[in-house]
Amino acid sequence: NAGVTQTPKFRVLKTGQSMTLLCAQDMNHEYMYWYRQDPGMGLRLIHYSVGEGTTAKGEVPDGYNVSRLKKQNFLLGLESAAPSQTSVYFCASTARQRGGPGELFFGEGSRLTVL
Amino acid sequence: KQEVTQIPAALSVPEGENLVLNCSFTDSAIYNLQWFRQDPGKGLTSLLLIQSSQREQTSGRLNASLDKSSGRSTLYIAASQPGDSATYLCAVDTQGGSEKLVFGKGTKLTVNP
Repeated sequence: NAGVTQTPKFRVLKTGQSMTLLCAQDMNHEYMYWYRQDPGMGLRLIHYSVGEGTTAKGEVPDGYNVSRLKKQNFLLGLESAAPSQTSVYFCASTARQRGGPGELFFGEGSRLTVL
Repeated sequence: KQEVTQIPAALSVPEGENLVLNCSFTDSAIYNLQWFRQDPGKGLTSLLLIQSSQREQTSGRLNASLDKSSGRSTLYIAASQPGDSATYLCAVDTQGGSEKLVFGKGTKLTVNP
């Protein structure tokens, strides 16, 4: 089983460029999340979605946009990349369990460098 | 606001030792608590999930306990092996029934042969 797949795995951008990270899951999960992981800061939630067509802001949403047009895909966009967005980005998904999140499944990560 | 703390930030032990990793959280109104393992350059892998109504969960050499009233969880690793070397993170939801999880910064474990 593929689980959670992130593309691309590595990307280098120049300041001001735009890009989209794609997350795909094949487990029919309702919830999907985008986190960033930085040294000393831990995992921080950027945006999340509780179902197809819905999105919500997390802890650090500024500079990012997301879309969930299909249940299996969750896209993270950077409209104008900044060096502060250099990070490792993780996508995760989980099924709803009695109104809350269940076991979380993570992708392998996407390492983004903004010059 | 839910805050999750993991102490110590790093731990080094000899092979074969039993060890305990700690996780504390500020808001006891949680839905569940999850423990993860992260190897260098990799994503997180779920180890154990404890529902708020449970006291502990076991998987092989791992045992996780939960004390909601004191805002604490522990991950017990028995007979540690070099392959257990990784960073261990815990996560809780921000409030009962919320869809969002808050992560601790992790404990980096090194098991020396």
